[in-house]
Amino acid sequence: KNEVEQSPQNLTAQEGEFITINCSYSVGISALHWLQQHPGGGIVSLFMLSSGKKKHGRLIATINIQEKHSSLHITASHPRDSAVYICAVTGSGSRLTFGEGTQLTVNP
Amino acid sequence: GAVVSQHPSRVICKSGTSVKIECRSLDFQATTMFWYRQFPKQSLMLMATSNEGSKATYEQGVEKDKFLINHASLTLSTLTVTSAHPEDSSFYICSASVAGASNQPQHFGDGTRLSIL
Repeated sequence: KNEVEQSPQNLTAQEGEFITINCSYSVGISALHWLQQHPGGGIVSLFMLSSGKKKHGRLIATINIQEKHSSLHITASHPRDSAVYICAVTGSGSRLTFGEGTQLTVNP
Repeated sequence: GAVVSQHPSRVICKSGTSVKIECRSLDFQATTMFWYRQFPKQSLMLMATSNEGSKATYEQGVEKDKFLINHASLTLSTLTVTSAHPEDSSFYICSASVAGASNQPQHFGDGTRLSIL
């Protein structure tokens, strides 16, 4: 069993739909990260959180430390949101442990 | 915001060539940088942790003589793939976080797509 598990693996949505990607982890963490990887390969850090909820534009990330679970929500999805979304966690150091990623495709 | 520059973005070369990839933090200092490898449709795999002024820490199964890492300054780490072979073809990407600060986000380079013919 992976230390970080994401679901779903693949997600196809229509433009405008509300999207949720889930992440569960089984280890102690100091922080959880949501990353976005575009088709060209570049990775952008969307959120780093250790408790509660963060919002940036149409993106919302939540974490429940007791349940070891985090969700990434995208409101009013758009084709440009199509990318791979990766959940990762850090323990005591800076080293990241990654989930397998969720391939999101938003159709116009 | 913090920017990491990785160069080159793409390399195509013959088998037996050594290839150097640079990872540079442009507007912050990074005591530690990380090097990852990613195969198509797979997650990132940590290869090594690069520490400024000391030897890199390699993950199990990664040959340190094959993948040479140098982190000579707080803003630059290099990965050299020595005597590259077709099986070394992959996407390589680095990341760094701000030195001396705990619980900081990782900043990623744009990656290098390496193709060995």
